[in-house]
Amino acid sequence: DVHLVESGGALVQPGGSLRLSCAASGFTFNTFDMNWLRQAPGKGLEWVSYISSSSSPIYYADSVKGRFTISRDNAKNSLSLQMNNLRVEDTAMYYCARDICTGSSCYYDYWGQGTLVTVSS
Amino acid sequence: VLTQSPESLAVSLGERATINCKSSQSILYSSNNKNYLAWYQQKPGQPPKLLIYWASTRESGVPDRFSGSGSGTDFTLTISSLQAEDVAVYYCQQCFGTPTFGQGTRLEIK
Repeated sequence: DVHLVESGGALVQPGGSLRLSCAASGFTFNTFDMNWLRQAPGKGLEWVSYISSSSSPIYYADSVKGRFTISRDNAKNSLSLQMNNLRVEDTAMYYCARDICTGSSCYYDYWGQGTLVTVSS
Repeated sequence: VLTQSPESLAVSLGERATINCKSSQSILYSSNNKNYLAWYQQKPGQPPKLLIYWASTRESGVPDRFSGSGSGTDFTLTISSLQAEDVAVYYCQQCFGTPTFGQGTRLEIK
């Protein structure tokens, strides 16, 4: 079975940093593109970032560009999201999700349960 | 921009539920004749679940009472006979460019 397990969420002050991780199992991780998406409390879904199976290309939403960095370690079957200069509006449940396409972000067939990031003073 | 309608919907068990999604621009890619649109179901406390992609392709394991239709800018998710377990929020999503989601439609039992 495919499993995606996120970790690293926490309460952080505005301007702070956080690193999220996603441990993948049950599939050949190095052949799938991956994404981070988020959902603010009680709100809708927002795509955050994409990374191809080979780590190039990488794409970001405008709302996080220059502050967030996505990366992956295929040897460890893991996906990461380094979040710097966090803002109150970054408060959300963060999900890692597997992409069914290659080369660009399209559809997400498996999602983790999410990890909660709260940015507040 | 994807705009879903209605924002909420109450349907009787066994009846048809229809959710609409309108894109501000065409998401039909002429070179492959594919519409870059998906539908997701999200139940409380759970991550979204992929139901339909390429506007009308049902994901493996999704009951056949779920179907997607439409092309260009107007799309529809239909649940042919509503079951109690279908109570959820439904989102459309486009990936023609930067992926974006509709605002969601809350489906309840009447």
